[in-house]
Amino acid sequence: DIQLTQSPSSVSASVGDRVTITCRASEDVSTWLAWYQQKPGKAPKLLIYAASTLQSGVPSRFSGSGSGTDFILTISSLQPEDFATYYCQQANTFPLTFGGGTKVEIK
Amino acid sequence: EVQLLESGGGLEQPGGSLRLSCAASGFTFSSYAMNWVRQSPGKGLEWLAGITSGGGGTYYADSVKGRFTVSRDNSKNTLYLQMNSLRAEDTAVYYCTKDTGLLRTYFEYWGQGTLVTVSS
Repeated sequence: DIQLTQSPSSVSASVGDRVTITCRASEDVSTWLAWYQQKPGKAPKLLIYAASTLQSGVPSRFSGSGSGTDFILTISSLQPEDFATYYCQQANTFPLTFGGGTKVEIK
Repeated sequence: EVQLLESGGGLEQPGGSLRLSCAASGFTFSSYAMNWVRQSPGKGLEWLAGITSGGGGTYYADSVKGRFTVSRDNSKNTLYLQMNSLRAEDTAVYYCTKDTGLLRTYFEYWGQGTLVTVSS
């Protein structure tokens, strides 16, 4: 199975900060990677797929990059509604797998 | 508006069975692959099973292979997950998800989830 390792596991940031989250795959997944946002008590929400394609309706302050084994989710200017947990997911190979999550907290 | 409504969760004893259902609306159900994803309390996300749009292909995580069965009824716009031989570690919120329909499986829409608790 492909393992996805996210770092950091948590980050404290302020409104307006630039936040970057990394996701490293244990083997090459090309650009078959997605990012999700999950708020407490809610289902995850798809933000980005195919490594860098923004899902419809997602604000442009979210962006994704990377290919192969190393990927980055960037929030260019953190907003109050962005405090949440973020997960990456690889879609290259079954079984589909998720990273362990990165919690973005208020500093 | 896409809606996915799971039902069938609850408390079950170890070794027991449950059948989850997911009623879909707001899109052409028969045109999309569907998947089940779960989240144990306070933990991360785990993909469990997927089924192709016509139901002819199914995929499973090793953790549930041989115990869980995914199926669908396109005439009823409903996805199912039959869970047998339940274990304590199956305790989780179970989400029904709609595929994006792209070349690879991404989870475009999620239901609100249904809680399954396995305990004696």
